[in-house]
Amino acid sequence: EDQVTQSPEALRLQEGESSSLNCSYTVSGLRGLFWYRQDPGKGPEFLFTLYSAGEEKEKERLKATLTKKESFLHITAPKPEDSATYLCAVRMDSNYQLIWGAGTKLIIKP
Amino acid sequence: EAGVAQSPRYKIIEKRQSVAFWCNPISGHATLYWYQQILGQGPKLLIQFQNNGVVDDSQLPKDRFSAERLKGVDSTLKIQPAKLEDSAVYLCASSPGTRGLDTQYFGPGTRLTVL
Repeated sequence: EDQVTQSPEALRLQEGESSSLNCSYTVSGLRGLFWYRQDPGKGPEFLFTLYSAGEEKEKERLKATLTKKESFLHITAPKPEDSATYLCAVRMDSNYQLIWGAGTKLIIKP
Repeated sequence: EAGVAQSPRYKIIEKRQSVAFWCNPISGHATLYWYQQILGQGPKLLIQFQNNGVVDDSQLPKDRFSAERLKGVDSTLKIQPAKLEDSAVYLCASSPGTRGLDTQYFGPGTRLTVL
């Protein structure tokens, strides 16, 4: 069964404490993996698209990486404004749909 | 550039009542999506339109949910009659192309509570 699993479910960090969020997937024929950020009461906001193993993308304090089985979202020296739920989603060769993970709720304490 | 607009933002109804949500996508975007997001879960696709046509409605509960996209622009999603398990946030998204790897841009969502 095609599946996307994110871990941990929730992560509390102190401001400046770097860490990583994980998105593992079991799908056949990955076409692309997407990372989104969702703030409370808002829709998801696009961060990155990764297409092939070994690819990396960066934006401010965030860096996304992709292997054949999983993706990591590394956050370096986070600030309280980085607090949000981070969602990943994958698109397969065989389907128009995105398969979404349940998200990781990230809380950065000042 | 204006984003995806949705209304209403909040709706409270009793079970067996009807409700409708409206979405105005980003101008020029060919593809429009309706998602259901239950608290603590990722979005679940209900229906995807490409211009006027339906691309995927495999997860739409067609006995109670319906959707249309007017002239390939605005869209409405209707639930009739609502059940308690329909309580969720309904997200509308749009993307510029039709090839499936485009970035999806989301509206703020409509939070539905069914009592």
